[in-house]
Formats: sequence, C-alpha cells, structure tokens
Amino acid sequence: NAGVTQTPKFQVLKTGQSMTLQCAQDMNHNSMYWYRQDPGMGLRLIYYSASEGTTDKGEVPDGYNVSRLKKQNFLLGLESAAPSQTSVYFCASSFRGTNEQFFGPGTRLTVL
Amino acid sequence: SQQGEEDPQALSIQEGENATMNCSYKTSINNLQWYRQNSGRGLVHLILIRSNEREKHSGRLRVTLDTSKKSSSLLITASRAADTASYFCATDRVSNNNDMRFGAGTRLTVKP
Repeated sequence: NAGVTQTPKFQVLKTGQSMTLQCAQDMNHNSMYWYRQDPGMGLRLIYYSASEGTTDKGEVPDGYNVSRLKKQNFLLGLESAAPSQTSVYFCASSFRGTNEQFFGPGTRLTVL
Repeated sequence: SQQGEEDPQALSIQEGENATMNCSYKTSINNLQWYRQNSGRGLVHLILIRSNEREKHSGRLRVTLDTSKKSSSLLITASRAADTASYFCATDRVSNNNDMRFGAGTRLTVKP
C-alpha cells in the first residue's frame, strides 16, 4: 500500500496564479484533511472531508477551495495565489474523526 | 488559533536519558494524540489517549492526560539519537471530532 500520496512535491507560483494540489489514499479511509505548516508552527487545518462528497471549513480556509468527488481523492485548490500562502501543505486521512491520521509527505509551495 | 501548546519549545538531551514534553489545551476534547515529525517529512502518529483515560504506554512512550488541568505529557524513556525530531500534540473538539488542532511542537535533539 502506498498510504497517502501527494502531488506535486514542490511548486513555485507567481502571485495571482491558480493551481490544484492532489492527494490520494488507498486505505479506504472516510475522512481526509488538508493542513498547512508554516515555519516554527504546528499544522493548521484548512479544510476537511468527513465522507465522499462532503467538505467543511477548518481553521484557515480563506483563499482555498476543495473537492472530494471520489473517496480516495481530496483536491486542494488555490484560486489566486498570494505570497501569504507560501507554506508546506500536508494531506492526511483517517478511518473517521477521532482516529489516528496518516499523513502524506507534503507539498512545498512558494508564491512569488 | 492553536489549540495545543507544547512545552518546552526545544529540548536537548544525551542518548539514554529520558525526555519529557508537555502539552496544554483549551477546550474539552474527545481525545489527544501525539505525533512525530522528522525534518522535511510528514507527521507520524505515535499514540492516542482518550478523554476517559489517564495514562497509556506504547514501547518506550508513556503518555498521561489530566483533563481537569487540560494538559498532557509525553515521556520517551532511554532516548536514542533516532528519536531526534519534532513532537506535536493534537486535540479534537467535543463538538467536532474532525477538527484537529496542533500545537507548535517541541524540537527534541538527542545527542549520541
């Protein structure tokens, strides 16, 4: 099993550009999450999905959108990238809320 | 806002010594989890303790939870150089078990 995979691993954008970060899990988990991690800080929840077809805002959702059309995939979109969105983005999944989360390797995004 | 806060921010010990990290949180929880992150990598789940538990062990790890003080501690016994990493506590909320909040972490360095 690959676990949780993320693409791309690295990305550089110019201010105003848009892009989609992709996340896939092969563990048949119900819940999926997107976090961002800034230097010296813990992870902050952007959006989560408790089941296929449902999504909810987390702590820092502004400037992002998500979609969960298939159970195994969770996409994070940046509508109009800003330098403040420079961060490392982690996707995670769990069987359901309250369970341990399995994390992907991260996507390092730089917005110039 | 961050839910959990770890203390200390950084800890440096010699191999063989014990390492203790503390976590405080603000709201009522269903469970508290500890995660480990090696530099540049995703987080790895270490242990989960539920709100009705007071202590839990896993190998060289011992976690305690005091819900009256809203605090937890992680003890790593007989530390090894390979334990060098950042350690994060994460809590959910009673009202939403998918909304996980992470602290800023404790950076542990174990010197050989």
